[in-house]
Amino acid sequence: DTGVSQDPRHKITKRGQNVTFRCDPISEHNRLYWYRQTLGQGPEFLTYFQNEAQLEKSRLLSDRFSAERPKGSFSTLEIQRTEQGDSAMYLCASSSIRTGNTEAFFGQGTRLTVV
Amino acid sequence: KQEVTQIPAALSVPEGENLVLNCSFTDSAIYNLQWFRQDPGKGLTSLLLIQSSQREQTSGRLNASLDKSSGRSTLYIAASQPGDSATYLCAVYQGGSEKLVFGKGTKLTVNP
Repeated sequence: DTGVSQDPRHKITKRGQNVTFRCDPISEHNRLYWYRQTLGQGPEFLTYFQNEAQLEKSRLLSDRFSAERPKGSFSTLEIQRTEQGDSAMYLCASSSIRTGNTEAFFGQGTRLTVV
Repeated sequence: KQEVTQIPAALSVPEGENLVLNCSFTDSAIYNLQWFRQDPGKGLTSLLLIQSSQREQTSGRLNASLDKSSGRSTLYIAASQPGDSATYLCAVYQGGSEKLVFGKGTKLTVNP
């Protein structure tokens, strides 16, 4: 297993455009998380899925943000009508509740720059 | 609301030195604590996970301790090397929620 994979690694977009990021978790991990990290800060929780169900969303996740995890495998995070304040690193993580060990494993992130 | 604080924000040491990074949290109702390493522009690498029933975990030159009652954790790095230079992040799993709450990290520089 190659770990959590995120695509693209970098995205530059113009203000007002829509962007979509993809995350492929570690195989058999049933929990998937999205976090956002700005410069000099720790990651902030956005949302998480258990299998295909979205179980928790942060208030940071405005109505311009939507996340899906069809079939409980990969996940996508879409940002509509991007704003300069959306510029950040978007991190995906996965873990497995089945093992009873909640250790989270992160991907390399997608760096979004809104110009 | 859980708050996680890491002190110091930055640390510079000569190669070979033993060092301690500190993490404190305001709400002791946690069930796990995890330490991560982050290289510039990269994602997070898990270093150690401490379950709430444990007092410490060790991996190689790293040792992490947890004292829930005082809301503190420490990460001890023995015989530091230039390759240890990175930002170290502490995060807690808050009871009743599945999310990790992170500190801002400690930026470590190990000088050859």
